[in-house]
Amino acid sequence: GQQLNQSPQSMFIQEGEDVSMNCTSSSIFNTWLWYKQDPGEGPVLLIALYKAGELTSNGRLTAQFGITRKDSFLNISASIPSDVGIYFCAGQLGDAGGTSYGKLTFGQGTILTVHP
Amino acid sequence: SQTIHQWPATLVQPVGSPLSLECTVEGTSNPNLYWYRQAAGRGLQLLFYSVGIGQISSEVPQNLSASRPQDRQFILSSKKLLLSDSGFYLCAWSPDSNQPQHFGDGTRLSIL
Repeated sequence: GQQLNQSPQSMFIQEGEDVSMNCTSSSIFNTWLWYKQDPGEGPVLLIALYKAGELTSNGRLTAQFGITRKDSFLNISASIPSDVGIYFCAGQLGDAGGTSYGKLTFGQGTILTVHP
Repeated sequence: SQTIHQWPATLVQPVGSPLSLECTVEGTSNPNLYWYRQAAGRGLQLLFYSVGIGQISSEVPQNLSASRPQDRQFILSSKKLLLSDSGFYLCAWSPDSNQPQHFGDGTRLSIL
């Protein structure tokens, strides 16, 4: 099935640095989501974006829904050790997609490592 | 508030044995429910989804099946496990098809 192109695949940064990751798609979505997964746990929703051009923040996290509806980015400012984990983007068509039933299309994830 | 529970957290099963993983959601009614498998900590693959009791849709052909005997209960099963069924299984729910999905803590399944 379709997959989103998420980059970078991994990042090694120093504590305090800013982080940026993005996702692109060949087709449009009505919703973009960003999740974080810690080892051995399920993904946790960080930010949900519902409108093209929307810029949303959640603490040190900022995400944007691309104008073309085919891309999104996530920024993390002033990284800390607990930011370590795998970050996933996901696109959702929703009911507007007909029979999509809320299914998500996921990126392959960005593994973030933060050195103290 | 809504919560999702998955059990067991870990499971070790021999090849050829049956499987039953359970997922329940509390604090909501008529949720959309989803089963995923994740290999090696990357890439979530959708296995099944359900938009109502008794309604199951399969995304990929496989050795597994799913059932929804009650509104907020989703079960993943197999009659005979294969080595390739090993992985991390995640259940997720959403209030409707326009809302984000929320995940359980997963079940780590190892087949020997």
